[in-house]
Amino acid sequence: EPEVTQTPSHQVTQMGQEVILRCVPISNHLYFYWYRQILGQKVEFLVSFYNNEISEKSEIFDDQFSVERPDGSNFTLKIRSTKLEDSAMYFCASRRNQRDPTPLHFGNGTRLTVT
Amino acid sequence: QKEVEQNSGPLSVPEGAIASLNCTYSDRGSQSFFWYRQYSGKSPELIMSIYSNGDQEDGRFTAQLNKASQYVSLLIRDSQPSDSATYLCAVNPLYSSASKIIFGSGTRLSIRP
Repeated sequence: EPEVTQTPSHQVTQMGQEVILRCVPISNHLYFYWYRQILGQKVEFLVSFYNNEISEKSEIFDDQFSVERPDGSNFTLKIRSTKLEDSAMYFCASRRNQRDPTPLHFGNGTRLTVT
Repeated sequence: QKEVEQNSGPLSVPEGAIASLNCTYSDRGSQSFFWYRQYSGKSPELIMSIYSNGDQEDGRFTAQLNKASQYVSLLIRDSQPSDSATYLCAVNPLYSSASKIIFGSGTRLSIRP
């Protein structure tokens, strides 16, 4: 069964550094999402992406965050200047199309640790 | 008002018994409802989807939806130790143009031998 893949599985960075988290969505999916989960807290929506632009974003997704689909397969989340509070699990997800009510398919996540 | 509410637990159920997990949601126009299971340090894994009022069964799992009461539940029959995890209720709110899903905080389920 096709999977969403994320790399790296664990990223350690120093405060103020830029990080890029990478995702390869399922190949025939058109809608892409990033979620995050701070340790012990709920899974929170960050941003959705369709047709090479952001379709919806949450309050968390401020100017420090950006997303990109640099080629036909990768979907990336960039954090420009990391803060301690950015430490979390980041999950990528995808969906075939908007009208498809089927659930999101999640990748295994990237654990980001900011020191 | 939280968009998706769940009791945090922990809910402790003896092995072989039925575990009952509940969830309420605030957006009355929501159309799609999901239960995910999450083991510690892992990603959410889909257990059940339900889209219309009534029951939806898949093996030991039954999801129940009551849109009038804005209530979703998950029953796990013949609970096994491997069912010990956090169960996340998720809803696709009507207002979302991108069909995002919103998660509840999750209910921690513990199956005791």
